[in-house]
Amino acid sequence: SQELEQSPQSLIVQEGKNLTINCTSSKTLYGLYWYKQKYGEGLIFLMMLQKGGEEKSHEKITAKLDEKKQQSSLHITASQPSHAGIYLCGAAPYNFNKFYFGSGTKLNVKP
Amino acid sequence: GAVVSQHPSRVICKSGTSVKIECRSLDFQATTMFWYRQFPKKSLMLMATSNEGSKATYEQGVEKDKFLINHASLTLSTLTVTSAHPEDSSFYICSARERRGPGANVLTFGAGSRLTVL
Repeated sequence: SQELEQSPQSLIVQEGKNLTINCTSSKTLYGLYWYKQKYGEGLIFLMMLQKGGEEKSHEKITAKLDEKKQQSSLHITASQPSHAGIYLCGAAPYNFNKFYFGSGTKLNVKP
Repeated sequence: GAVVSQHPSRVICKSGTSVKIECRSLDFQATTMFWYRQFPKKSLMLMATSNEGSKATYEQGVEKDKFLINHASLTLSTLTVTSAHPEDSSFYICSARERRGPGANVLTFGAGSRLTVL
């Protein structure tokens, strides 16, 4: 199975601060997905990265996939309380017959 | 955009009874659906992959006879928790895979079902 390790496990930041969450795969990534969840609720799709070196941004969130396609980072600029939640990276093998999630990062943003 | 409807959102049942959770893709055909379980303060654990018209593929450690998965059509997959016990209480969530072109797979998630077994 594809193992995805996220770090840190949890994060508390002051509003307005920047932060980075990392996702490292044990295997080459053919597509890396980032989601946000409030525990016990559904998932919100943030971004998908496919190519080595790819970077995407949406509002204040930027995600990158490294050239080797085994590590991705999610960066939030000027964090706000609305950014609080659980961030999950997810990936599938080449034939997409499974989809695994990382261990998750719980983010709290203090006003 | 694509929508996946998961029902029921909450269910409480007595120990020993069976509970069925439905997952429907509303405006697209999903040849593949994934079922997850989420323990408190944990990430989503893949339970099984459901393919339309064939048997589900279960992850190691997931009891096939306990968690019955059926994918009878391109828009509907069901998870039945049989003879439920309190330890089966959890948050269950499904996702449907939509192919939007070569290599362009989009996953849409249901809102989840919270099962409480008394």
